[in-house]
Amino acid sequence: KAGVTQTPRYLIKTRGQQVTLSCSPISGHRSVSWYQQTPGQGLQFLFEYFSETQRNKGNFPGRFSGRQFSNSRSEMNVSTLELGDSALYLCASSGTGNIGGELFFGEGSRLTVL
Amino acid sequence: DQQVKQNSPSLSVQEGRISILNCDYTNSMFDYFLWYKKYPAEGPTFLISISSIKDKNEDGRFTVFLNKSAKHLSLHIVPSQPGDSAVYFCAATGAGSYQLTFGKGTKLSVIP
Repeated sequence: KAGVTQTPRYLIKTRGQQVTLSCSPISGHRSVSWYQQTPGQGLQFLFEYFSETQRNKGNFPGRFSGRQFSNSRSEMNVSTLELGDSALYLCASSGTGNIGGELFFGEGSRLTVL
Repeated sequence: DQQVKQNSPSLSVQEGRISILNCDYTNSMFDYFLWYKKYPAEGPTFLISISSIKDKNEDGRFTVFLNKSAKHLSLHIVPSQPGDSAVYFCAATGAGSYQLTFGKGTKLSVIP
């Protein structure tokens, strides 16, 4: 069974640009979550989608957005990039409708903003 | 305000000895707690969890203890093995929530 796949794995952008990251969940999983990992803040919740609906959003500015498609694949977008957006962005999928089930994480997309 | 705290950024343990990783939380609404392990260049992987109706859960070498009155949980690894060297994240969630709140992690080094 294929795991959670995130693309691209690494990318470099400059301030002011925008970026789109993609996540393919485990087959059959309908819940997809996104987390940002930075050395100083650990893993911070960005948003969660279930059946194309955003059910929860973390405390991030509106420059961070996401969406989920009918096949459960998800994308997140960050506009007007800032240096502080440099981080590892992790996608996770869950096979249950609630968060009580474990999350399966991808390897992440490492974004560097110059 | 950090709702899940792992106060030890790092821990070194001799192979074969016990590793104890600690986690404190402040949100009384949390009722489900999880531990994840992360190797470099990989995503976190689920290790073990515990519901607030329990005070202990075991899975092989891994045991999680929950002290609700102290809002404290700990992960015990016995015996510790070099392959256990990784960053361990404590996470918590509450009923009706669709997110995990993570601590900042503890880097465990098991010395052969």
